[in-house]
Amino acid sequence: KNQVEQSPQSLIILEGKNCTLQCNYTVSPFSNLRWYKQDTGRGPVSLTIMTFSENTKSNGRYTATLDADTKQSSLHITASQLSDSASYICVVRDPSGGSYIPTFGRGTSLIVHP
Amino acid sequence: GAGVSQSPSNKVTEKGKDVELRCDPISGHTALYWYRQRLGQGLEFLIYFQGNSAPDKSGLPSDRFSAERTGESVSTLTIQRTQQEDSAVYLCASSFLQGANEKLFFGSGTQLSVL
Repeated sequence: KNQVEQSPQSLIILEGKNCTLQCNYTVSPFSNLRWYKQDTGRGPVSLTIMTFSENTKSNGRYTATLDADTKQSSLHITASQLSDSASYICVVRDPSGGSYIPTFGRGTSLIVHP
Repeated sequence: GAGVSQSPSNKVTEKGKDVELRCDPISGHTALYWYRQRLGQGLEFLIYFQGNSAPDKSGLPSDRFSAERTGESVSTLTIQRTQQEDSAVYLCASSFLQGANEKLFFGSGTQLSVL
């Protein structure tokens, strides 16, 4: 069964600090991996997408990395802000069999304290 | 509209009652997904619609759950004889399927509370 595991489950940091969230997956074959941000009471919003050939991609203070050989991805947040408090969800897509149902991780809950 | 719209935003119901949740996808989006998210948990896939193809119902937890979508427009998720375990946020997402790099656009969800 395809799985997406995220760590840590939750994380508390001080404003201005950096942090790194991890995502390990077993989805194979692999099409792409997305990181979503879900604010409390809202639906997830896509932050970035990583395809098989990409190793790193930045979106402002967010930098995602991908190692397709070890099936690992990370999301690094630089100079955290209070508005970064949210759940960060790793989503992997497996296009096999014509099905495009993505596999969601359970998310990492990030709390940024002033 | 500008985004995916879901209604109601909150629904409180008594155990055993039926509920109907509505999702208005972004105009032109051919794919539509329903997910369930229990408190503190990840998103659980329920059902997927793609154009006029037969829906993928593999995630529906029981026959009390059903969903409909007419063409590429509004979708409704119906839960019959609700149970307390059905309490969760129900999220709808739509996308314009662009191959494997599809991006989902989510609504804000319907918070369902079964008393």
